[in-house]
Amino acid sequence: SQQGEEDPQALSIQEGENATMNCSYKTSINNLQWYRQNSGRGLVHLILIRSNEREKHSGRLRVTLDTSKKSSSLLITASRAADTASYFCATDGDTGGFKTIFGAGTRLFVKA
Amino acid sequence: ETGVTQTPRHLVMGMTNKKSLKCEQHLGHNAMYWYKQSAKKPLELMFVYNFKEQTENNSVPSRFSPECPNSSHLFLHLHTLQPEDSALYLCASSQGSSGRSQETQYFGPGTRLLVL
Repeated sequence: SQQGEEDPQALSIQEGENATMNCSYKTSINNLQWYRQNSGRGLVHLILIRSNEREKHSGRLRVTLDTSKKSSSLLITASRAADTASYFCATDGDTGGFKTIFGAGTRLFVKA
Repeated sequence: ETGVTQTPRHLVMGMTNKKSLKCEQHLGHNAMYWYKQSAKKPLELMFVYNFKEQTENNSVPSRFSPECPNSSHLFLHLHTLQPEDSALYLCASSQGSSGRSQETQYFGPGTRLLVL
């Protein structure tokens, strides 16, 4: 089964609201990353959090990591219509190296 | 622009055709990746090259043949594909210096492939 599983699969909110997406994984990891993908385009890296970190911020993004629960969350504050996209978490499993395992993603729709 | 380009952006091919996808990165990276993204399925890693050497082959059928002539270019040669191979094929690159920990990847815009 997939290493990263995002929850919810889809999320629809109003502009200005906060959006929270969750990711669960199964094996130990060295780090976890979040990516964004606009419809039919390539992925864009948002943030990387290492296994020894618990929280990280980047602009309106806040990522948490709970290795005991094997889960991470991505919070987007004060969302904008331009945040409409799919969001994926990615892990290296327990192998490290270049093998990257992506989850199925959360589709976020921000209504103006 | 991420510094990773892919051509063509769209491709329609028959099951007996041979075609190639091209990826080029202008970031000075040493690792390059091919991914397949099908509808309603997670992104699937296909191949990884680091310093022109293949380091990952995720049990990809032989009708997909990668080629990495140098650290800036990556090809995916396609032959006798099946309709279920229709997908968005994404190329990515990363620094490639450590090889021990997952690196930030920079993606191209993808090639939308339709196999008839």
